[in-house]
Amino acid sequence: QVQLQQSGAELARPGASVKLSCKASGYTFTSYWMQWVKQRPGQGLEWIGAIYPGDGDTRYTQKFKGKATLTADKSSSTAYMQLSSLASEDSAVYYCARGGYPLYWGQGTTLTVSS
Amino acid sequence: DIQMTQSPASLSASVGETVTITCRASENIYSYLAWYQQKQGKSPQLLVYNAKTLAEGVPSRFSGSGSGTQFSLKINSLQPEDFGSYYCQHHYGTPYTFGGGTKLEIK
Repeated sequence: QVQLQQSGAELARPGASVKLSCKASGYTFTSYWMQWVKQRPGQGLEWIGAIYPGDGDTRYTQKFKGKATLTADKSSSTAYMQLSSLASEDSAVYYCARGGYPLYWGQGTTLTVSS
Repeated sequence: DIQMTQSPASLSASVGETVTITCRASENIYSYLAWYQQKQGKSPQLLVYNAKTLAEGVPSRFSGSGSGTQFSLKINSLQPEDFGSYYCQHHYGTPYTFGGGTKLEIK
C-alpha cells in the first residue's frame, strides 16, 4: 500500500536551516509528482512547490522561491524539503503529498522556530 | 498565479441538513479542481477531483460540480463525521493554489 512517512518534529533556531524528509513506499517513486504543503496553526493550506523525482523537475510558488528547496533521492525513494533562513513565520506543519490531486498524504512534520 | 476564492469561510449546520461550499477561480481552470476534507490534527483527505469525480471510498452524499471558474461541493444529509474544514485546490498547472478553506461546525 502507498505510504508517505515524514520525519519527526523539528525545533530550530531563527536563521538556521532545516531539511524535512518524506519517504515513499508502495509505488514507483519516480512516476509521480510530490507536492509540499504548509499549514500554520489554525490556518489554511498553502502550496509550497512540487518535485518530479523521475527527472528532478521542480516547481515553486513565488513566495517560497529562495525559502524552500526541493530534492529527491531515487535510491531511497525519499523526497526532501530544505527550508532556509528560518523565522517564526516558518513554524507550521509541513505535509508531503503524492500527485496533482493527492489521494496520499504524509502525516505531517511540525516545525517550531524558536530561540 | 491562479487565485482560488472559497466561501463561506465558516458554516454552522445541523446533522441531516444539506450544505454547499463554493470555490471561484481567478481564471478558467476547466475541470481541474479538487476538494479535500481535513479534521483537526489530521492530514487532508481527498474527496473529489476533476471537479466532480468522487475519490475512492467517499460517500455518495458528497458531490462536486462546476467548470471554468465556478465550482461547488455539496454535502447532502450531513453526518456527524462530516464536520471539519474543507479546501478546494486547482490542479491546472503549477502552482496548485488552495482556497482559503471553509470550517463546517455543528449547530
